[in-house]
Amino acid sequence: GAVVSQHPSWVICKSGTSVKIECRSLDFQATTMFWYRQFPKQSLMLMATSNEGSKATYEQGVEKDKFLINHASLTLSTLTVTSAHPEDSSFYICSASPPDMVGYTFGSGTRLTVV
Amino acid sequence: KNEVEQSPQNLTAQEGEFITINCSYSVGISALHWLQQHPGGGIVSLFMLSSGKKKHGRLIATINIQEKHSSLHITASHPRDSAVYICAVVRNTGNQFYFGTGTSLTVIP
Repeated sequence: GAVVSQHPSWVICKSGTSVKIECRSLDFQATTMFWYRQFPKQSLMLMATSNEGSKATYEQGVEKDKFLINHASLTLSTLTVTSAHPEDSSFYICSASPPDMVGYTFGSGTRLTVV
Repeated sequence: KNEVEQSPQNLTAQEGEFITINCSYSVGISALHWLQQHPGGGIVSLFMLSSGKKKHGRLIATINIQEKHSSLHITASHPRDSAVYICAVVRNTGNQFYFGTGTSLTVIP
Protein backbone atom coordinates (compact mmCIF):
# COMPACT_ATOMS: atom_id res chain seq x y z
CA GLY A 1 0.00 0.00 0.00
CA ALA A 2 0.93 3.64 -0.29
CA VAL A 3 3.37 4.75 2.39
CA VAL A 4 4.40 8.14 3.67
CA SER A 5 7.71 8.03 5.51
CA GLN A 6 8.29 10.75 8.10
CA HIS A 7 11.59 11.57 9.80
CA PRO A 8 12.69 12.04 12.44
CA SER A 9 10.29 10.23 14.77
CA TRP A 10 11.36 12.40 17.64
CA VAL A 11 13.72 15.29 18.15
CA ILE A 12 14.91 17.35 21.08
CA CYS A 13 16.39 20.73 20.28
CA LYS A 14 17.51 23.82 22.09
CA SER A 15 15.45 26.96 22.11
CA GLY A 16 16.38 29.23 19.20
CA THR A 17 17.53 26.48 16.86
CA SER A 18 15.74 25.23 13.75
CA VAL A 19 14.42 21.76 13.13
CA LYS A 20 13.57 20.18 9.79
CA ILE A 21 10.98 17.42 9.46
CA GLU A 22 10.75 15.40 6.25
CA CYS A 23 7.86 13.54 4.70
CA ARG A 24 8.45 11.31 1.71
CA SER A 25 5.91 9.46 -0.37
CA LEU A 26 7.66 6.16 -1.00
CA ASP A 27 5.72 4.62 -3.84
CA PHE A 28 3.58 7.38 -5.24
CA GLN A 29 3.81 10.98 -6.30
CA ALA A 30 2.18 13.48 -4.00
CA THR A 31 1.39 16.84 -5.54
CA THR A 32 -0.19 17.85 -2.25
CA MET A 33 0.79 17.05 1.32
CA PHE A 34 -0.83 18.21 4.52
CA TRP A 35 0.94 19.16 7.74
CA TYR A 36 -0.78 18.86 11.11
CA ARG A 37 0.11 19.67 14.69
CA GLN A 38 -1.26 18.09 17.81
CA PHE A 39 -0.74 19.44 21.30
CA PRO A 40 -1.17 17.03 24.22
CA LYS A 41 -4.76 15.94 24.75
CA GLN A 42 -5.96 18.08 21.88
CA SER A 43 -7.15 17.23 18.41
CA LEU A 44 -5.10 17.35 15.26
CA MET A 45 -4.96 20.80 13.73
CA LEU A 46 -4.22 21.38 10.07
CA MET A 47 -1.29 23.77 9.79
CA ALA A 48 -0.75 24.04 6.07
CA THR A 49 -1.23 22.45 2.71
CA SER A 50 1.99 21.86 0.83
CA ASN A 51 1.82 22.07 -2.96
CA GLU A 52 4.60 20.77 -5.18
CA GLY A 53 6.30 23.56 -7.06
CA SER A 54 4.36 26.38 -5.46
CA LYS A 55 3.88 28.13 -2.14
CA ALA A 56 2.18 26.37 0.71
CA THR A 57 -1.23 27.45 1.90
CA TYR A 58 -1.24 28.18 5.61
CA GLU A 59 -4.20 27.98 7.94
CA GLN A 60 -5.25 31.03 9.88
CA GLY A 61 -3.02 31.65 12.86
CA VAL A 62 -0.05 29.66 11.57
CA GLU A 63 3.06 31.81 11.06
CA LYS A 64 4.48 31.33 7.58
CA ASP A 65 7.91 32.63 8.56
CA LYS A 66 8.16 30.32 11.52
CA PHE A 67 6.95 27.14 9.87
CA LEU A 68 8.70 26.97 6.53
CA ILE A 69 7.31 24.42 4.12
CA ASN A 70 9.14 23.27 1.03
CA HIS A 71 7.68 20.86 -1.50
CA ALA A 72 10.38 20.85 -4.14
CA SER A 73 9.66 17.41 -5.59
CA LEU A 74 6.67 15.14 -6.04
CA THR A 75 7.91 12.81 -3.31
CA LEU A 76 9.27 15.11 -0.64
CA SER A 77 7.81 17.83 1.54
CA THR A 78 9.67 19.39 4.46
CA LEU A 79 8.54 21.43 7.43
CA THR A 80 11.18 23.55 9.14
CA VAL A 81 10.40 24.98 12.55
CA THR A 82 12.61 28.05 12.73
CA SER A 83 13.87 29.62 15.95
CA ALA A 84 12.04 27.00 17.94
CA HIS A 85 10.62 27.83 21.35
CA PRO A 86 9.32 25.53 24.08
CA GLU A 87 5.74 26.36 23.07
CA ASP A 88 6.47 24.78 19.67
CA SER A 89 6.88 21.43 21.41
CA SER A 90 4.23 19.29 19.83
CA PHE A 91 3.49 16.30 17.66
CA TYR A 92 3.77 17.06 13.95
CA ILE A 93 2.33 14.72 11.33
CA CYS A 94 1.94 14.80 7.57
CA SER A 95 -0.46 13.12 5.20
CA ALA A 96 -1.03 12.72 1.49
CA SER A 97 -3.67 11.27 -0.77
CA PRO A 98 -2.19 8.75 -3.22
CA PRO A 99 -3.67 9.19 -6.69
CA ASP A 100 -4.90 5.61 -6.99
CA MET A 101 -6.21 5.32 -3.48
CA VAL A 102 -9.36 6.63 -1.87
CA GLY A 103 -8.48 8.40 1.34
CA TYR A 104 -5.32 9.58 2.96
CA THR A 105 -2.17 7.98 4.24
CA PHE A 106 -0.35 9.46 7.20
CA GLY A 107 3.25 9.68 8.20
CA SER A 108 4.24 8.22 11.55
CA GLY A 109 4.65 11.65 13.09
CA THR A 110 7.45 13.60 14.74
CA ARG A 111 7.47 14.46 18.41
CA LEU A 112 9.33 17.74 18.88
CA THR A 113 10.55 18.82 22.28
CA VAL A 114 12.18 22.23 22.58
CA VAL A 115 14.21 22.75 25.73
CA LYS B 1 -18.52 25.20 19.06
CA ASN B 2 -16.36 22.63 17.29
CA GLU B 3 -17.36 21.61 13.80
CA VAL B 4 -16.82 17.96 14.79
CA GLU B 5 -17.98 16.53 18.11
CA GLN B 6 -17.11 13.06 19.33
CA SER B 7 -18.48 11.02 22.18
CA PRO B 8 -17.52 9.61 24.50
CA GLN B 9 -14.18 11.29 25.20
CA ASN B 10 -12.95 8.33 27.19
CA LEU B 11 -14.12 4.76 27.11
CA THR B 12 -13.03 1.71 29.07
CA ALA B 13 -14.32 -1.69 28.04
CA GLN B 14 -13.81 -5.30 28.96
CA GLU B 15 -12.29 -7.54 26.33
CA GLY B 16 -15.00 -8.92 24.10
CA GLU B 17 -17.42 -6.04 24.50
CA PHE B 18 -19.10 -4.30 21.59
CA ILE B 19 -17.96 -0.68 21.36
CA THR B 20 -19.54 2.32 19.69
CA ILE B 21 -17.95 5.72 19.18
CA ASN B 22 -20.07 8.55 17.84
CA CYS B 23 -19.24 11.55 15.68
CA SER B 24 -21.48 14.49 14.83
CA TYR B 25 -20.55 17.33 12.55
CA SER B 26 -22.08 20.64 11.60
CA VAL B 27 -20.68 21.43 8.16
CA GLY B 28 -21.37 20.10 4.69
CA ILE B 29 -18.87 17.41 3.89
CA SER B 30 -17.54 15.46 0.98
CA ALA B 31 -16.11 12.67 3.13
CA LEU B 32 -15.63 11.52 6.71
CA HIS B 33 -12.58 9.68 8.01
CA TRP B 34 -12.11 7.50 11.02
CA LEU B 35 -8.50 7.48 12.21
CA GLN B 36 -6.73 5.41 14.83
CA GLN B 37 -3.87 6.95 16.76
CA HIS B 38 -1.61 4.65 18.73
CA PRO B 39 0.11 5.67 21.99
CA GLY B 40 3.32 6.52 20.12
CA GLY B 41 1.38 9.00 18.01
CA GLY B 42 1.31 7.21 14.67
CA ILE B 43 -1.98 7.53 12.83
CA VAL B 44 -3.70 4.91 10.70
CA SER B 45 -6.60 5.73 8.44
CA LEU B 46 -9.33 3.16 9.17
CA PHE B 47 -12.16 4.26 6.92
CA MET B 48 -13.20 6.97 4.54
CA LEU B 49 -16.97 7.28 4.12
CA SER B 50 -19.23 9.42 2.03
CA SER B 51 -22.38 7.33 2.50
CA GLY B 52 -23.70 4.12 3.95
CA LYS B 53 -21.58 1.62 5.77
CA LYS B 54 -18.15 0.02 5.54
CA LYS B 55 -16.74 -3.03 7.29
CA HIS B 56 -13.17 -4.12 7.79
CA GLY B 57 -12.60 -7.09 10.02
CA ARG B 58 -14.08 -6.30 13.43
CA LEU B 59 -14.55 -2.64 12.58
CA ILE B 60 -17.72 -1.18 11.13
CA ALA B 61 -18.29 2.45 10.23
CA THR B 62 -21.61 4.01 9.32
CA ILE B 63 -22.63 7.47 8.23
CA ASN B 64 -25.97 9.24 8.00
CA ILE B 65 -25.48 12.28 5.79
CA GLN B 66 -28.93 13.74 6.51
CA GLU B 67 -28.37 13.60 10.26
CA LYS B 68 -24.69 14.59 9.99
CA HIS B 69 -23.69 11.67 12.15
CA SER B 70 -21.28 8.76 11.95
CA SER B 71 -20.52 5.83 14.23
CA LEU B 72 -17.54 3.55 14.55
CA HIS B 73 -18.25 0.12 15.99
CA ILE B 74 -15.76 -2.44 17.23
CA THR B 75 -17.04 -5.96 17.71
CA ALA B 76 -15.36 -8.43 20.09
CA SER B 77 -13.00 -5.76 21.38
CA HIS B 78 -9.42 -6.70 22.22
CA PRO B 79 -6.70 -4.97 24.27
CA ARG B 80 -4.81 -4.23 21.05
CA ASP B 81 -7.74 -2.02 20.04
CA SER B 82 -6.71 0.39 22.81
CA ALA B 83 -5.96 3.67 21.05
CA VAL B 84 -7.40 7.08 20.35
CA TYR B 85 -10.01 7.10 17.61
CA ILE B 86 -10.42 10.34 15.71
CA CYS B 87 -13.24 11.44 13.47
CA ALA B 88 -12.28 13.87 10.71
CA VAL B 89 -14.44 15.46 8.04
CA VAL B 90 -13.51 17.02 4.73
CA ARG B 91 -15.60 20.09 4.00
CA ASN B 92 -17.32 20.04 0.65
CA THR B 93 -16.20 23.61 -0.04
CA GLY B 94 -12.43 24.13 -0.04
CA ASN B 95 -11.50 20.59 1.05
CA GLN B 96 -10.69 21.78 4.56
CA PHE B 97 -10.21 19.15 7.24
CA TYR B 98 -11.90 19.36 10.63
CA PHE B 99 -10.89 16.94 13.37
CA GLY B 100 -12.74 15.73 16.42
CA THR B 101 -10.86 15.70 19.72
CA GLY B 102 -10.75 11.93 19.72
CA THR B 103 -12.06 9.11 21.87
CA SER B 104 -9.52 7.39 24.08
CA LEU B 105 -10.39 3.68 24.22
CA THR B 106 -8.90 1.28 26.74
CA VAL B 107 -9.80 -2.38 26.48
CA ILE B 108 -9.04 -4.36 29.61
CA PRO B 109 -8.19 -8.06 29.38
